[in-house]
Amino acid sequence: LAKTTQPISMDSYEGQEVNITCSHNNIATNDYITWYQQFPSQGPRFIIQGYKTKVTNEVASLFIPADRKSSTLSLPRVSLSDTAVYYCLVGDMDSNYQLIWGAGTKLIIKP
Amino acid sequence: SQTIHQWPATLVQPVGSPLSLECTVEGTSNPNLYWYRQAAGRGLQLLFYSVGIGQISSEVPQNLSASRPQDRQFILSSKKLLLSDSGFYLCAWRWGSGNTIYFGEGSWLTVV
Repeated sequence: LAKTTQPISMDSYEGQEVNITCSHNNIATNDYITWYQQFPSQGPRFIIQGYKTKVTNEVASLFIPADRKSSTLSLPRVSLSDTAVYYCLVGDMDSNYQLIWGAGTKLIIKP
Repeated sequence: SQTIHQWPATLVQPVGSPLSLECTVEGTSNPNLYWYRQAAGRGLQLLFYSVGIGQISSEVPQNLSASRPQDRQFILSSKKLLLSDSGFYLCAWRWGSGNTIYFGEGSWLTVV
């Protein structure tokens, strides 16, 4: 099971682009990289998922280098409502989600 | 569209009392179902998962049990709660080999 390492906390300001990097040196061939967002007292919410290169959706982009040992979640033009904990997860879709959840990155957006 | 509900949202129970948290999924059939627990300021810990009715796998030894009496119903139980059972409990589902897991609203359990 691949373990991930991400910063404990980050601060930014409204309107800025925020990049959160996650390290996963032991990622396996079948592993996907998934990012979740969690607000206090709520369940995590899926943001984006990728296997390699770049993935973009309406809320974020995910950059994955060729060696896949890290990934970067990019949030364009953040707002105060983006203040949350962000989790990076690496796992094999066939493993019934035996994923290791770290403490995530607490992102605080300031006005 | 698919939705997941769990209840109750909050629960305060004395030590030694029983527990029952319920979760239901709508809009899909034969989902994989999961129970997670989250301690304050920590990541999620997988407690149980189920691939079908009556099929339960436990990830960690504990004071809790799970049951799946119907296809879209998942129940977390305990006969006698411990103080250490306090936490935020999350039900989740995934369809087949789909790549995304979806979470319910969560249930706060405080054992006093």
